[in-house]
Amino acid sequence: DAGITQSPRHKVTETGTPVTLRCHQTENHRYMYWYRQDPGHGLRLIHYSYGVKDTDKGEVSDGYSVSRSKTEDFLLTLESATSSQTSVYFCAISESGSPTKNIQYFGAGTRLSVL
Amino acid sequence: GQQLNQSPQSMFIQEGEDVSMNCTSSSIFNTWLWYKQDPGEGPVLLIALYKAGELTSNGRLTAQFGITRKDSFLNISASIPSDVGIYFCAGPPGGGSQGNLIFGKGTKLSVKP
Repeated sequence: DAGITQSPRHKVTETGTPVTLRCHQTENHRYMYWYRQDPGHGLRLIHYSYGVKDTDKGEVSDGYSVSRSKTEDFLLTLESATSSQTSVYFCAISESGSPTKNIQYFGAGTRLSVL
Repeated sequence: GQQLNQSPQSMFIQEGEDVSMNCTSSSIFNTWLWYKQDPGEGPVLLIALYKAGELTSNGRLTAQFGITRKDSFLNISASIPSDVGIYFCAGPPGGGSQGNLIFGKGTKLSVKP
């Protein structure tokens, strides 16, 4: 298994509270991604990082921010959680950003419930 | 934007049967990836395809990169109960800068013993 750890694995929070999810990798891969998975939508990209302090938005970035201060850690923050952000969040890593070499490996996910 | 359409959305089969599923797009893809997700887990890569017409196997799984570059197929032979899960296709959109992938919505496979 790729060395990816997501924490926490489960979280229940209230609307309006800040939430931070952590992704930690031991593979020294340059690229890291945050996805959310919802029924009927599959996996959708929130934000990604192509290096330390280098991040960019994905398809569904509104309401989320990210930070990457070290190669191994990629944090996803919900500044003020809303019920629409109830979802399963997956972190992924990739060694290469090349379209022909981009194999992404996924963590086990964080199940977030916003009440 | 680009989309990947997977079919069927779900399948209910008997153990031992063969399974076929596909993924199509209105745009050309240069790479096709197939992932499987077990309940409560993250997706795991099954097969990667890089050339049009390529046929690649991984045990009982065989995937093909369509010659039009707009589709891909995954077959599972002699299904077993542990094949249960959701199968996703994925590929880099429009040149795939920075390594982004887009995913289909998945085919959910159920196997009756």
